[in-house]
Amino acid sequence: DVKVTQSSRYLVKRTGEKVFLECVQDMDHENMFWYRQDPGLGLRLIYFSYDVKMKEKGDIPEGYSVSREKKERFSLILESASTNQTSMYLCASSHRTGAYNEQFFGPGTRLTVL
Amino acid sequence: AQSVSQHNHHVILSEAASLELGCNYSYGGTVNLFWYVQYPGQHLQLLLKYFSGDPLVKGIKGFEAEFIKSKFSFNLRKPSVQWSDTAEYFCAVKGNTDKLIFGTGTRLQVFP
Repeated sequence: DVKVTQSSRYLVKRTGEKVFLECVQDMDHENMFWYRQDPGLGLRLIYFSYDVKMKEKGDIPEGYSVSREKKERFSLILESASTNQTSMYLCASSHRTGAYNEQFFGPGTRLTVL
Repeated sequence: AQSVSQHNHHVILSEAASLELGCNYSYGGTVNLFWYVQYPGQHLQLLLKYFSGDPLVKGIKGFEAEFIKSKFSFNLRKPSVQWSDTAEYFCAVKGNTDKLIFGTGTRLQVFP
């Protein structure tokens, strides 16, 4: 069974803290993605990685950075957390362009910044 | 730029009612289209997808969707909903990159 796992289901942090969200996939996918999900706004892409050490900004990259040192792992970093970053964060992965490159999602991390 | 519109934000139905959720996209080129579902407390999972061929696509749990190119639409349908279909449904489009553009989602509540 294919799997995308995220390090935490729930996380509570304070304003100004540095926050790391980890994502691991076991499907040997080239692509990995970080989204945030907010009510009424759907899923918005934060960052995208198409290979190790490669990254591309999504629609809302401000306040976030990413790291991909290994193919199976993609980290999202909030350098200095703010209350407006309280959200559900979803990680996904897929094969590179092709007929079967649907995205597979992890369970999500609900982050609250106080 | 690509965009996806889901016109129904919140739909409430009784069991056995028919369902149709609207999805329209804007993109001039060849598209791949997806419907994802998120059941309460669960992760987002693929319901069905269209890549090419027959524009009527069948997915899991009795869902289907029809791609109408002239209308830029990919509406989701189910002839008879069940309480277990209560979930949030997202339409998504992929153009010439590997990125998906998602709609804002439709929350479906089915009452017994």
